[in-house]
Amino acid sequence: GAVVSQHPSRVICKSGTSVKIECRSLDFQATTMFWYRQFPKKSLMLMATSNEGSKATYEQGVEKDKFLINHASLTLSTLTVTSAHPEDSSFYICSASGERKADTQYFGPGTRLTVL
Amino acid sequence: KQEVTQIPAALSVPEGENLVLNCSFTDSAIYNLQWFRQDPGKGLTSLLLIQSSQREQTSGRLNASLDKSSGRSTLYIAASQPGDSATYLCAVRNNNDMRFGAGTRLTVKP
Repeated sequence: GAVVSQHPSRVICKSGTSVKIECRSLDFQATTMFWYRQFPKKSLMLMATSNEGSKATYEQGVEKDKFLINHASLTLSTLTVTSAHPEDSSFYICSASGERKADTQYFGPGTRLTVL
Repeated sequence: KQEVTQIPAALSVPEGENLVLNCSFTDSAIYNLQWFRQDPGKGLTSLLLIQSSQREQTSGRLNASLDKSSGRSTLYIAASQPGDSATYLCAVRNNNDMRFGAGTRLTVKP
């Protein structure tokens, strides 16, 4: 199957700083990328959907000015957590799929963010 | 809005048992349903993907069924092994997004 990578796998930062997480599709062109957040022992919560070259669509309750998403190419999407606070600490997972709605989503390995 | 429910939330079985995990969803207009495995602190491993036109998929000791009209899917694991211990998530794709259930945490005891 297709491979999706995330970088970094772990990041620790101080409150008030911004953190950028990268999601890359390594061997296919990802028309659509998704960003999820997972709290401990909870399921994945969809944060936003991004299509290459257009603005991301955010789920209700997700602050678009806090979680900046950029999908500049068919192989790269970035999530920037701005002015991070301890409550932003979580496991962030991205996924990527092709242009058809029935296409499989391929998931990245996740990024563990800890805000001190 | 699609709601996905998984029952039970946790399950513990002795090694060798066959078991069934359940997933239900409220909106039957789905494109596909996918079962994943997640180990603690790790990402997702896709196990089986069932397209909306299919009734089941099999891979090794795993068999997933889909009844779209009733909004249900099951994941059957045969001859369970300790290495099967993990959280199993089902996810349903509607339109352009995927909704996850809360998962079933499976423990297989040696």
